Amino acid sequence: DAKTTQPPSMDCAEGRAANLPCNHSTISGNEYVYWYRQIHSQGPQYIIHGLKNNETNEMASLIITEDRKSSTLILPHATLRDTAVYYCIVNQNQGGKLIFGQGTELSVKP
Amino acid sequence: GAGVSQSPSNKVTEKGKDVELRCDPISGHTALYWYRQSLGQGLEFLIYFQGNSAPDKSGLPSDRFSAERTGGSVSTLTIQRTQQEDSAVYLCASTMEGPGETQYFGPGTRLLVL
Repeated sequence: DAKTTQPPSMDCAEGRAANLPCNHSTISGNEYVYWYRQIHSQGPQYIIHGLKNNETNEMASLIITEDRKSSTLILPHATLRDTAVYYCIVNQNQGGKLIFGQGTELSVKP
Repeated sequence: GAGVSQSPSNKVTEKGKDVELRCDPISGHTALYWYRQSLGQGLEFLIYFQGNSAPDKSGLPSDRFSAERTGGSVSTLTIQRTQQEDSAVYLCASTMEGPGETQYFGPGTRLLVL
């Protein structure tokens, strides 16, 4: 079973920040938080991952709470092409399978 | 550089037939994964190859499913005596070993069993 819970769907206005929450209250000390997204009819695409500190790359920012029990993926200026299912996954970062939950279906609207 | 490629992109077969799905990982990636995604569902892990270690087959749903990885590169997923419930998108991913690794996914093979 997935170790994360996410809202099933969210809407965001184009140009606004999209903030996608994820709960992972049973995360263990050596597990990372990964975010992937899947645009319709494509394979999943890696976005970002982190352990304890907040992370930022060209796609998004990842904010992890101090107790590591939850995190938020931030797309700073959402575009229509960001419409996708976003998956939050915890993984030990030493190889091994990714366990995908149902994810959050983000709809970016004009 | 080239990403993960999979072939065929689409496959339609009749119930009871065998199918082979191919995955070409990113060059130099030592770990390879197979997942499947049924219509409207999340991704389900099938099998994992890492270097020369024995594969992790814990996700294979039945003994009709098998996979091999030849020469540490290309992998083939074989489904024998296909059933209608095998209809799904079969996704392959590869990764480098070591810290900070991420899985890079191919476009998938869409299998339809009639």
